[in-house]
Amino acid sequence: GQNIDQPTEMTATEGAIVQINCTYQTSGFNGLFWYQQHAGEAPTFLSYNVLDGLEEKGRFSSFLSRSKGYSYLLLKELQMKDSASYLCAVSLGGFKTIFGAGTRLFVKA
Amino acid sequence: GAVVSQHPSWVICKSGTSVKIECRSLDFQATTMFWYRQFPKQSLMLMATSNEGSKATYEQGVEKDKFLINHASLTLSTLTVTSAHPEDSSFYICSARAMDGFQETQYFGPGTRLLVL
Repeated sequence: GQNIDQPTEMTATEGAIVQINCTYQTSGFNGLFWYQQHAGEAPTFLSYNVLDGLEEKGRFSSFLSRSKGYSYLLLKELQMKDSASYLCAVSLGGFKTIFGAGTRLFVKA
Repeated sequence: GAVVSQHPSWVICKSGTSVKIECRSLDFQATTMFWYRQFPKQSLMLMATSNEGSKATYEQGVEKDKFLINHASLTLSTLTVTSAHPEDSSFYICSARAMDGFQETQYFGPGTRLLVL
């Protein structure tokens, strides 16, 4: 079966750094996506990791370890607008992508 | 980046009626599109993979006769919820994979909120 685990909720303070972890056990693996989703809206693309290591994009960074089945999304200099759900998703073979349940991040002042 | 649109953005219908949702890739061609369903406070569940010019591939537990998918062109896929019931009320989102430079990504439409009374 396919399994993607991430924490249900996290709370952090404005200006701080937060790390959202994701572990996966899937039948195939082409890469790992991170998406941001605000309530009532569709997900928006944040990152796609294929190789091991850290990729940085402005305030957001994503890390992947394929051997450990592990990824994290790092958000720096948190802003109130970062309050959202963050979805970890694995790209399987055959162009299929499956999603984790998402992590709801609450940023407080 | 690539743009995917959906129409309508929301729909309210009576139980027993059929509802068609369109998904369009506006500035790129998509041989493959995906249809997801999302219930409140839950993640996206893949319903089916829509392939241009051929039959859709449905996920386990998704009734193909209830959720009809047609991918008639490289820029349009449609999902028809036939004989809708209140339990079909959900947020339906389509997506298409595209290359952003050398990086593969998946672009989502804005979603269609369906309420069946």
